[in-house]
Amino acid sequence: EPEVTQTPSHQVTQMGQEVILRCVPISNHLYFYWYRQILGQKVEFLVSFYNNEISEKSEIFDDQFSVERPDGSNFTLKIRSTKLEDSAMYFCASSVIYDRGYEKLFFGSGTQLSVL
Amino acid sequence: AQKITQTQPGMFVQEKEAVTLDCTYDTSDPSYGLFWYKQPSSGEMIFLIYQGSYDQQNATEGRYSLNFQKARKSANLVISASQLGDSAMYFCAMREVDSGYSTLTFGKGTMLLVSP
Repeated sequence: EPEVTQTPSHQVTQMGQEVILRCVPISNHLYFYWYRQILGQKVEFLVSFYNNEISEKSEIFDDQFSVERPDGSNFTLKIRSTKLEDSAMYFCASSVIYDRGYEKLFFGSGTQLSVL
Repeated sequence: AQKITQTQPGMFVQEKEAVTLDCTYDTSDPSYGLFWYKQPSSGEMIFLIYQGSYDQQNATEGRYSLNFQKARKSANLVISASQLGDSAMYFCAMREVDSGYSTLTFGKGTMLLVSP
């Protein structure tokens, strides 16, 4: 079964450093997402991406965050200057939209980001 | 107000027994989808089951069924014949179609532990 691939599985960085989280969505999917989950908390939406542009973003997704689909296969999340509170599991997801809005999101295995 | 409420932070069940995980939701959108995801200790998010707001029958996927009570705005997950491998965090999520958003809103999750 096709799957969403995320790299790296773990990332440790110093506060203030830039990090890039990488994702390869399922090839025929049209919508791409980043979610995050702070330890012990619920999964939170960050951003969705369709047709090479951001379609929605949450208030968490501030100017420190950006997304790119640089080469038609990869989908990246960049955090320009990491803060301690950015420590979380970051999930990439992709989907196709079915009728009535049925949308089965396929999630990657996540990148655990630790900011020290 | 919380859009998705999961009132059970933890549930215990014995192997081979059935268990119900509760989920209530809040929306004014007449068209929406409800999802359950499983998150094992390894961290990935695994899609389990979907229920559309216009679906007449409760969704079933193998040992998973969704007890959809629209008037009560509840979408409980029923796992029949629990297995040790069912031990995981379970998240209920909703997508509101007519709002135009493509995002999923997640509940805080229920940790299920299956004992031998």
